[in-house]
Amino acid sequence: TAGITQAPTSQILAAGRSMTLRCTQDMRHNAMYWYRQDLGLGLRLIHYSNTAGTTGKGEVPDGYSVSRANTDDFPLTLASAVPSQTSVYFCASSEYGTGHNEQFFGPGTRLTVL
Amino acid sequence: SQQGEEDPQALSIQEGENATMNCSYKTSINNLQWYRQNSGRGLVHLILIRSNEREKHSGRLRVTLDTSKKSSSLLITASRAADTASYFCATDASGGSYIPTFGRGTSLIVHP
Repeated sequence: TAGITQAPTSQILAAGRSMTLRCTQDMRHNAMYWYRQDLGLGLRLIHYSNTAGTTGKGEVPDGYSVSRANTDDFPLTLASAVPSQTSVYFCASSEYGTGHNEQFFGPGTRLTVL
Repeated sequence: SQQGEEDPQALSIQEGENATMNCSYKTSINNLQWYRQNSGRGLVHLILIRSNEREKHSGRLRVTLDTSKKSSSLLITASRAADTASYFCATDASGGSYIPTFGRGTSLIVHP
């Protein structure tokens, strides 16, 4: 199985443009997450979804939106990118609420906003 | 803000030595996890320890948890160059949403 995949691998984006980062998992996990990783700050949660049809805000949600139309996909959209959104973005999934909430991570998307 | 904080921020050792990393957290937890991240890659889960457990082993990894001190340690025995990576602890606050909160990580370099 592929596990969890992300696309694109990297992207350079002009400020003010919109972009959607894609994330797909094939493990039938009910929970999915988006993190950004910045040097010196570790991973910070942007948005999460405990199950298809529901989403929630994490620590740094401003400027980002998500949707969870089905179990497998959890896209992250930047409506109008700003340079401070330059980061590495990781998608993750887990079995929610079981106490075995080991997270499986995708390979990441490196985004540069100029 | 981070719930868990790893210490030290960076650790450099020789192959064959043991590596110890610590994690301190602020509020009561359901469980604590350790993850590893190789440069440029996603995080990989290493081990989960529940709040009612004090020690857990997995291969060359040994994790301890002291809930009275709100701290955990990850010991890697007989380290190898391939253990070079960043290591993160993640805590799942009790009464919370089961979403792990990550620390800033410890960067481990193992010299061959």
